[in-house]
Amino acid sequence: DSGVTQTPKHLITATGQRVTLRCSPRSGDLSVYWYQQSLDQGLQFLIQYYNGEERAKGNILERFSAQQFPDLHSELNLSSLELGDSALYFCASSTRQGSSGYTFGSGTRLTVV
Amino acid sequence: SQQGEEDPQALSIQEGENATMNCSYKTSINNLQWYRQNSGRGLVHLILIRSNEREKHSGRLRVTLDTSKKSSSLLITASRAADTASYFCATDISTDKLIFGTGTRLQVFP
Repeated sequence: DSGVTQTPKHLITATGQRVTLRCSPRSGDLSVYWYQQSLDQGLQFLIQYYNGEERAKGNILERFSAQQFPDLHSELNLSSLELGDSALYFCASSTRQGSSGYTFGSGTRLTVV
Repeated sequence: SQQGEEDPQALSIQEGENATMNCSYKTSINNLQWYRQNSGRGLVHLILIRSNEREKHSGRLRVTLDTSKKSSSLLITASRAADTASYFCATDISTDKLIFGTGTRLQVFP
């Protein structure tokens, strides 16, 4: 157990639907990062939050949004889902600026049918 | 786009042999990190080397960094079947995010 908890582990949903992925960071970590891993795109950085505030954005689609709550857990919302959104979604957390490496959760496998 | 590219894409070796993976990147970095991923699982942080360091060791792992060539290598000595996994380099260019490379799939045969 890495200390980063992601739920659910698996999600199967239909095109056009909306889902929410949840992440609880390791105790004491203020930064949360979301990554998408697919076979054709590799590991893509989506977005980072630090202590409730958005700090960096990567290749995140407009259909996707995220937030970090006062208790530091984070949610990634994916809407108007398309087949191509099928992927592993990872959350990672780190200390203030990630200078000691990230701790990853075990991921949520999203399948859009 | 990927900041880092690993070479080779795949590597197969026998137990006891050494495995070397290389990573090249494009822009200046604060640090470079190596991660391991077992099939379909989360990534595990292995080692971090800062831009002012040239070599770092951790157990059977040895990492080198050449900032003039924008490249790094990961050496796993005396490999074991349990080392079978994908290995990724990741570059810290802005302290706000890590950009991951394309990964090397390592297969270690008993």
